[in-house]
Amino acid sequence: QQKVQQSPESLIVPEGGMASLNCTSSDRNVDYFWWYRQHSGKSPKMLMSIFSNGEKEEGRFTVHLNKASLHTSLHIRDSQPSDSALYLCAASRTGYQNFYFGKGTSLTVIP
Amino acid sequence: EAGVTQSPRYAVLQEGQAVSFWCDPISGHDTLYWYQQPRDQGPQLLVYFRDEAVIDNSQLPSDRFSAVRPKGTNSTLKIQSAKQGDTATYLCASSPLNTGQLYFGEGSKLTVL
Repeated sequence: QQKVQQSPESLIVPEGGMASLNCTSSDRNVDYFWWYRQHSGKSPKMLMSIFSNGEKEEGRFTVHLNKASLHTSLHIRDSQPSDSALYLCAASRTGYQNFYFGKGTSLTVIP
Repeated sequence: EAGVTQSPRYAVLQEGQAVSFWCDPISGHDTLYWYQQPRDQGPQLLVYFRDEAVIDNSQLPSDRFSAVRPKGTNSTLKIQSAKQGDTATYLCASSPLNTGQLYFGEGSKLTVL
């Protein structure tokens, strides 16, 4: 059973546009969320993490978390072709170091 | 600082053959993970260690897969009697204690014919 669900599976946005990616956990025990980015043929690298309700912004990237619904979203403004990648959401529980990943959202930014 | 090192980067096997993947984590990282990532999917946890102890291997297909980390540093993942369904990239990651951030190696891409 997939503990982390991501949507959409794939997303195409024009250069300069906004990309919005969603992630929900079906495990009510999770309370930490991470977003990783994986360029084609490369390993995943952490983009952002969020542990508290609310919003966190780093440059063009904004992450939201609603702990009541176990839903997090990643928003990329002014998308660039170099943002084209597989975006992975991961979740874990306090006191544990199991990280469960979703299947990812494949983002393509068209020049 | 050196990153997570994995070898070999690629392996091609016939069904029934065995293969071992090796991982050298970042120095000082006590936690080490092995993930299986099928093409165009997210990583799926196989096993993770804290130092030399296995913490969770519940997702490891125990009849053909095994993993060890004998001295709490390097680790080996072995697949015996490989099947076509094992075709995937095997990712090793390490993490310092209580930080929650994973550092991945470049992966070992396995193709079983």
